[in-house]
Amino acid sequence: AQSVSQHNHHVILSEAASLELGCNYSYGGTVNLFWYVQYPGQHLQLLLKYFSGDPLVKGIKGFEAEFIKSKFSFNLRKPSVQWSDTAEYFCAVIPYSGGGADGLTFGKGTHLIIQP
Amino acid sequence: NAGVTQTPKFRVLKTGQSMTLLCAQDMNHEYMYWYRQDPGMGLRLIHYSVGEGTTAKGEVPDGYNVSRLKKQNFLLGLESAAPSQTSVYFCASSTPGTAQETQYFGPGTRLLVL
Repeated sequence: AQSVSQHNHHVILSEAASLELGCNYSYGGTVNLFWYVQYPGQHLQLLLKYFSGDPLVKGIKGFEAEFIKSKFSFNLRKPSVQWSDTAEYFCAVIPYSGGGADGLTFGKGTHLIIQP
Repeated sequence: NAGVTQTPKFRVLKTGQSMTLLCAQDMNHEYMYWYRQDPGMGLRLIHYSVGEGTTAKGEVPDGYNVSRLKKQNFLLGLESAAPSQTSVYFCASSTPGTAQETQYFGPGTRLLVL
């Protein structure tokens, strides 16, 4: 079975700082990778996803992530964060071969707080 | 399109009571999922369905039952609620049968079991 590890459970940054959230997964085959965001009191929204092709993917709100296959990593980045980026961020994977039937496997989440 | 909707938004139960959470989607998705979210645990899959009339167990199925009588609806039942089932429950759905589907989530149901 696959698993996902997010390196930081809590991150506090000042506005305009750069952000990198780590995500590593374990699985022996091909996976699809996702980052979801959950703003306070809201449901999960898709930030970005990687299926194939260019390992650097861009998402909404200026976020990007880089898939490094050799490191089983899919780290999320943003050059300059804003107060409105305060949220919980989840990395998730799904095996390519399963066709989606097994559901997503999530990391435990990173709680990001941006200080004005 | 409403996307994925969940009913109710919030519920308080006493230990031993039963209830059903309803998830509805209007995107004609084949796959539907129920997750629970607990602090520090991320989201964990409870049950899922790959089509009308079919269901399967996920990572944490104990204490829950599900039914998918109609393609657009996925019901999650708690027959005898326990305090350990206090959680936020999210439903999701995805496009049919490809490996590149994206799951779309509902707004969640917050359940408190006393």
